[in-house]
Amino acid sequence: QVQLQESGPGLVKPSETLSLTCTVSGDSISTYYWSWIRQPPGKGLEWIGYIYYSGSSRYNPSLKSRVTISIDTSKNQFSLKLSSVTAADTAVYYCARDGSWLQYWGQGTLVTVSS
Amino acid sequence: IQMTQSPSSLSASVGDRVTITCQASQGISNYLNWYQQKPGKAPELLIYDASNLETGVPSRFSGSGSGTDFTFTISSLQPEDIATYYCQQYDNLPLTFGGGTKVEIK
Repeated sequence: QVQLQESGPGLVKPSETLSLTCTVSGDSISTYYWSWIRQPPGKGLEWIGYIYYSGSSRYNPSLKSRVTISIDTSKNQFSLKLSSVTAADTAVYYCARDGSWLQYWGQGTLVTVSS
Repeated sequence: IQMTQSPSSLSASVGDRVTITCQASQGISNYLNWYQQKPGKAPELLIYDASNLETGVPSRFSGSGSGTDFTFTISSLQPEDIATYYCQQYDNLPLTFGGGTKVEIK
């Protein structure tokens, strides 16, 4: 079955860059769109952006100036970089398959922004 | 596109019929999905394209609507349905979610 697993530091200092990787198993990343979504503690869901295997990507305008999503088809992974983070970027970050129906999700990883 | 869900929370008894509404700020055809999120877990897709039940999801869950107004229904609430439910549109980018409806047992 399709499984996604987020990995990366759980603590990032203010003004630094948050970096996460999502490893996909049970499916080829060379199909579908692959999304990042985040959820601040106790709050709702916010779509960050997605990438297609070709490398084409789209981002939420609210984060666009700080976000980069990349893909490595040889490793079946895609990644998120969010620059100039503040406490407002503290959230559980999820990766998910597709850019319409988010059919499969990773378990999520909590990233805290704090000095 | 802004998605407005109501109510933000509800309390119902086991066996009750539960209805959640989601309104889009502009027409989105049927490009509307519903998710269930249990505490500490990732959301799970229940309904896609407004009314299609995802494989493996119990038939007590259903969805309807098109355009701007959508409804999600649990026909007979079960204890395992305690969760927060979200709608999500994909007619236009950015993908956007409703604020969520927390369902509790009375």
